[in-house]
Amino acid sequence: DGGITQSPKYLFRKEGQNVTLSCEQNLNHDAMYWYRQDPGQGLRLIYYSQIVNDFQKGDIAEGYSVSREKKESFPLTVTSAQKNPTAFYLCASRFNEKLFFGSGTQLSVL
Amino acid sequence: AQSVTQPDIHITVSEGASLELRCNYSYGATPYLFWYVQSPGQGLQLLLKYFSGDTLVQGIKGFEAEFKRSQSSFNLRKPSVHWSDAAEYFCAQSGGYNKLIFGAGTRLAVHP
Repeated sequence: DGGITQSPKYLFRKEGQNVTLSCEQNLNHDAMYWYRQDPGQGLRLIYYSQIVNDFQKGDIAEGYSVSREKKESFPLTVTSAQKNPTAFYLCASRFNEKLFFGSGTQLSVL
Repeated sequence: AQSVTQPDIHITVSEGASLELRCNYSYGATPYLFWYVQSPGQGLQLLLKYFSGDTLVQGIKGFEAEFKRSQSSFNLRKPSVHWSDAAEYFCAQSGGYNKLIFGAGTRLAVHP
């Protein structure tokens, strides 16, 4: 089945640690996105990539980094500089103005 | 700055009752508008979209939405709610550079 796969479903981060969230798609879409979701705040854009080897900061990029070495993959690293990382993270790809979402990763701080 | 406003944080309706979720957008003569639905712990699923043309758009699961330029609104409606419709609903607007701007969401509870 075609779709967006995010892993892991749950992730815990220790103080000062970097963690990486995986996002893979087999939809052959060029554009991919990372959103952060906090209760009562909707979705906020962290980073997006229109094409392989290119990406742009979204509205809340500080403390995060991404790479786009392959069309299928758009991993997000939450660095130790992100002081409030607890949130639900959603990856998406875009085709014809429509976003297709993965099932999300819940990141919590130990 | 562009913004999407969903005035109702939480709505409760009885099963079988009609539903209207409000959404106001802030930018664009011809906005691209969307409604998404999210079940707990899951990603978002597109319900419907408006790009141009007929201002009443039909979506999946029996939902519809009406675009009203004069009111900058794009309200979501359903004539008869089912218990399985309990979820969180997000209105979104295309924000340029191929980004979507989301509202804060409306959580729908359905009473039997």
